Amino acid sequence: GAVVSQHPSWVICKSGTSVKIECRSLDFQATTMFWYRQFPKQSLMLMATSNEGSKATYEQGVEKDKFLINHASLTLSTLTVTSAHPEDSSFYICSAREMRGPLHFGNGTRLTVT
Amino acid sequence: QKEVEQNSGPLSVPEGAIASLNCTYSDRGSQSFFWYRQYSGKSPELIMSIYSNGDKEDGRFTAQLNKASQYVSLLIRDSQPSDSATYLCAAPYNNNDMRFGAGTRLTVKP
Repeated sequence: GAVVSQHPSWVICKSGTSVKIECRSLDFQATTMFWYRQFPKQSLMLMATSNEGSKATYEQGVEKDKFLINHASLTLSTLTVTSAHPEDSSFYICSAREMRGPLHFGNGTRLTVT
Repeated sequence: QKEVEQNSGPLSVPEGAIASLNCTYSDRGSQSFFWYRQYSGKSPELIMSIYSNGDKEDGRFTAQLNKASQYVSLLIRDSQPSDSATYLCAAPYNNNDMRFGAGTRLTVKP
């Protein structure tokens, strides 16, 4: 079945540094990928839609300059959290959808900013 | 009105009972629906897809779709403690996007 791979699975960084998270669709091409954030005991929150070859679409309240998204190929999207702060500590999950099929999720990245 | 709505629960059932999870949606044009299970600290995993009216069974899971009433449900028979998780229903939105319900937290008590 379709698989979405996300890396790293966890990362600890110091405040002020940047962190890059990769999301790959392994056996299908994804012109669109989605990035979510989830705080403990809360629902998934869509942050942005990553579009291959064009700019990402951000949800209201999500800072474009802080969460940089690059979708350079049909199988890879990256999310970079710039100048991370402790309040950015969260569980970040990417996903991609097969044509007319279900959404498949990566295993998520747990970010801790100290 | 949200595109997909779920009762956030929590829902608690004894081991061996049937757990019933419900979801309503607003877009009459929706053709497919999906149920995801999310364990605490993990990402969601797809457990059921349903595309046509009626029931679809897969092991202990049965998805039910009623397009006229715009609801979709998930039944879990012989519930096990390992079924304790948050269950999310989802429906496609636009061409590639997906809209999720808030999720129902299920606890199966031994």
